[in-house]
Amino acid sequence: NAGVMQNPRHLVRRRGQEARLRCSPMKGHSHVYWYRQLPEEGLKFMVYLQKENIIDESGMPKERFSAEFPKEGPSILRIQQVVRGDSAAYFCASSPGRFYEQYFGPGTRLTVT
Amino acid sequence: GQNIDQPTEMTATEGAIVQINCTYQTSGFNGLFWYQQHAGEAPTFLSYNVLDGLEEKGRFSSFLSRSKGYSYLLLKELQMKDSASYLCAVRPLGAGNTPLVFGKGTRLSVIA
Repeated sequence: NAGVMQNPRHLVRRRGQEARLRCSPMKGHSHVYWYRQLPEEGLKFMVYLQKENIIDESGMPKERFSAEFPKEGPSILRIQQVVRGDSAAYFCASSPGRFYEQYFGPGTRLTVT
Repeated sequence: GQNIDQPTEMTATEGAIVQINCTYQTSGFNGLFWYQQHAGEAPTFLSYNVLDGLEEKGRFSSFLSRSKGYSYLLLKELQMKDSASYLCAVRPLGAGNTPLVFGKGTRLSVIA
């Protein structure tokens, strides 16, 4: 049973470009969570999605950031017009239901130059 | 507001026992999690406490006191591979969503 998969593992973008991060949850999991981790900082919740629905996006900046989890395919975290401050590790986690433990993917390390 | 506190760094000797503390203040409480994260890797789930008391799982145990807003992770018979960050996370009580609130993590170094 494959775990949570994220790609790419490393992504380099210039300021002003767009970054697209993908997350495929574990088989049987329909709940997806995105977190951001800055160096020496804890994981910060960004957004919680369930198939085709955004349940909670309270941790996601209102501008430039968006997330989706379509009926078919992976969840996508999209960052438009990236800035240096967006450089971080972005982790996706999935769970089979709202009250279960979350399993994390290997993360995407975004570097904005 | 939400606040999770844990020590930034700890050092312990191979074969010893170490206790990593976590205190929390959150809007309601619906469970506390411990995760292990090796440098550059994904957090991996260690334990979950929702009721007071001790949960034991092999060399790792986790304790919770809801009245004190306090938990600890106990690691026994330490091994070099236990060198990692240990993340305490609380699930606040909320209607309809369950984002976890993470502490900054405790970086544990196991030395020979």
